[in-house]
Amino acid sequence: EVQLVQSGTEVKKPGESLKISCKASGYSFTDNWIDWVRQMPGKGLEWMGIIYPGDSETRYSPSFQGHVTISADKSITTVYLQWSSLKASDTATYYCARREGDLDYWGQGTLLTVSS
Amino acid sequence: EIVLTQSPATLSLSPGERATLSCRASQDVISYLAWYQQKPGRAPRLLIFDVSTRAPGIPVRFSGSGSGTDFTLTISSLEPEDFAVYYCQQRGSWPLLTFGGGTKVEIK
Repeated sequence: EVQLVQSGTEVKKPGESLKISCKASGYSFTDNWIDWVRQMPGKGLEWMGIIYPGDSETRYSPSFQGHVTISADKSITTVYLQWSSLKASDTATYYCARREGDLDYWGQGTLLTVSS
Repeated sequence: EIVLTQSPATLSLSPGERATLSCRASQDVISYLAWYQQKPGRAPRLLIFDVSTRAPGIPVRFSGSGSGTDFTLTISSLEPEDFAVYYCQQRGSWPLLTFGGGTKVEIK
């Protein structure tokens, strides 16, 4: 069974750094790209970027380029999304999802709250 | 960038009724149009890909149609568990994905 299991809820202060994770199982990890999608409170879905776990090739949405970093560790079948300096506007739920044409399996989401 | 516009924003219907949701693209997305369902506090779920192909396990009451720039998701007879938000999404310019703003199907 394909599963993407994300790390838990985070509460951070502006300026802090953070790395959240998405652990994949149930399929060959290097067969598929994995995406990150943001959902701000009460809003729609926004595509952030994508990574190929085989060689960590990464592409970003222009809206998120330079604001986040996507990485992967294929030895532990995990992808990451990180920030070096959080802002209040980063408050959102972040989803990882497997790309099989479209997004066929999703993580459960990681809720991030950034507040002073 | 291709923009997807969904209408209506909210659809108020009763169980057993037919739901028709629209998604219009700012340019031709060929056949790379998908639909997702999202319930409160849950991750989105893929319903339909490539305009009209149901994802595994999706009931036959869900169907997709359309071409070019105009697409429709139809739920033939609403079940209680179908009340949710629905998003369309296109993948015409790999790897970029864009989503529509969503349609909320609520109980009348």
